[in-house]
This record gives sequence, structure tokens and C-alpha cells, in this order.
Amino acid sequence: DAKTTQPNSMESNEEEPVHLPCNHSTISGTDYIHWYRQLPSQGPEYVIHGLTSNVNNRMASLAIAEDRKSSTLILHRATLRDAAVYYCILRDPGAQKLVFGQGTRLTINP
Amino acid sequence: DTAVSQTPKYLVTQMGNDKSIKCEQNLGHDTMYWYKQDSKKFLKIMFSYNNKELIINETVPNRFSPKSPDKAHLNLHINSLELGDSAVYFCASSLGTVGGYTFGSGTRLTVV
Repeated sequence: DAKTTQPNSMESNEEEPVHLPCNHSTISGTDYIHWYRQLPSQGPEYVIHGLTSNVNNRMASLAIAEDRKSSTLILHRATLRDAAVYYCILRDPGAQKLVFGQGTRLTINP
Repeated sequence: DTAVSQTPKYLVTQMGNDKSIKCEQNLGHDTMYWYKQDSKKFLKIMFSYNNKELIINETVPNRFSPKSPDKAHLNLHINSLELGDSAVYFCASSLGTVGGYTFGSGTRLTVV
């Protein structure tokens, strides 16, 4: 499984944008970049995924570097409910499992 | 509500006992999984079933036996529980192996 590197923790303020980085220098051409988050005492929750182009949905945006060796999850206006552990995961379409790393623990200050 | 539901939410039991955790999804997904999250918060896959067939068994002790009666259900039976089995167990499902996963809210197992 190709590896990703994320900061252990990040902190931001409510109603400000948050940029969560992920490095994946060994990404292969077929790997999709997936983001999940885990709120306290809950199961992981799908956030967004992409292959090459930037992606937007109601939860977040995903910005993918041109060489695909890094990506950034963008929360446009953080709320206290966005405090969670965010996982960046590379997924080959043929892979039969999702492999979680340590993730980034995001703290949102009021 | 469409979801992945697990029961029970909490389970406290003594060493040596046998227990089961049930999982059901009503999303029409054909692949289901069991993950374990230990005290250090690492999430590790244990098993995966696709259309009732086992496709992943991540060297889990054979005290753990998953059972999938149909593609909407994946239960986990654990024999001879040990202290080290204490963890949160998450069930998940997906459509094939490409779609996003939907996770249940977890079962916190405490072995005393």
C-alpha cells in the first residue's frame, strides 16, 4: 500500500479556512486519493476523493498537485463540528481494502 | 434511515467468554468489512466479504470468525475472549471495492 504522510495535529479557528496537507510521493498512476474523517466516538466518514483534478463537494474541496505527489483537503469555513481526525488514503481501484494511517487530529478553537 | 448499524454499542465481558457483534447495512452494498481500532487509535482491517464470500482475512487469530448470512449482514463472533481483544470494532460497507466506505458507529468491547 502506498504511504501517505500527514502532520500529527493541526489547529485552526472557527469560521476560518483550514488546509490539511498530505504527502504521497510514491503514488502510482492508478491510485485515487481519498479523505475520511473520524469525529469523536464515531466511525470514520467519507469526505472526498479524486484522481488528478481538483474536486469539490458540500463538505470540502480537494486540491491535487500537478505531479500528484501531494494533496490538500480544504475546509472552507471550519466549525466546531469539524474537529476530528482526518485521514488521507491512497487507494488503487483493484485494492480490496482501505488502509488507514495515523491521520491529522484537527482542533477548532471557538 | 439508510445506514450501517452495529449491535451492541457497548459490550463488557469476562476473559474466556464467547461473544458476537452484529452488523447490518441497508445501502444495497455488496462488500462488508470489519475493522478494529485499538487504544492507540489505529484502525486496522480484519475481514472483508464480497457477496457473502471472504476476500480478506488479515491474519486475525482464528478465535475471530466472521459470518455473512447474506450480503446485507456481516457478524463477528469471538471465542475465548482475551484482554487484548478490548478495542472498538467498526463494521463498514461499500459498493464493490472502488466506492466510498460507510462505517457503523462502532462497538466498544471491554474484556475484564
